[in-house]
Amino acid sequence: DVKVTQSSRYLVKRTGEKVFLECVQDMDHENMFWYRQDPGLGLRLIYFSYDVKMKEKGDIPEGYSVSREKKERFSLILESASTNQTSMYLCASRPPGQVMSGELFFGEGSRLTVL
Amino acid sequence: RKEVEQDPGPFNVPEGATVAFNCTYSNSASQSFFWYRQDCRKEPKLLMSVYSSGNEDGRFTAQLNRASQYISLLIRDSKLSDSATYLCVVNKPDSGYALNFGKGTSLLVTP
Repeated sequence: DVKVTQSSRYLVKRTGEKVFLECVQDMDHENMFWYRQDPGLGLRLIYFSYDVKMKEKGDIPEGYSVSREKKERFSLILESASTNQTSMYLCASRPPGQVMSGELFFGEGSRLTVL
Repeated sequence: RKEVEQDPGPFNVPEGATVAFNCTYSNSASQSFFWYRQDCRKEPKLLMSVYSSGNEDGRFTAQLNRASQYISLLIRDSKLSDSATYLCVVNKPDSGYALNFGKGTSLLVTP
């Protein structure tokens, strides 16, 4: 079974802190994604990556950056956390060459609260 | 206009009922379409892909109308375990493998 592991299930941070959300997948997938999910807004794509050291902005990249130094690990960075970044963050991975298959494998999510 | 739009519900139906969810998407260049299911406090999981000719998976039937940019999901003989949020999902044509998610439609099946 594919496993996508997010390092922290719950975090509480203060405004202005730098926050790292880590995601690791064990299936050698090239494609990895970060979404955030908010009530009434659904899942929104923040950043994605097709390969090591490669990154693409999603729909809401402002206030975030990412790092992909190794294929299995995709990190989301909040340089200076703000209260409007309080959310559930979901990491996902997808095998290459399967545009039609549609299966994203999600981690369990990291619920971040910024005070 | 939101790229993928769904009626948020909630849909409250008795066990055994048939329920249908609809979804519209805005980008005519989209090529692939899916329904995901998300249980409360869990991550989304793929329920089924949606093909142009329509497809079934047990009690679930998905339909696609490319001309109208409309996707549907029909659930027959609803079970209590079908209670969840159903997400309509469409690929982002300008980014290959990334997916756009609708906000989801909430279903509650009652005894």
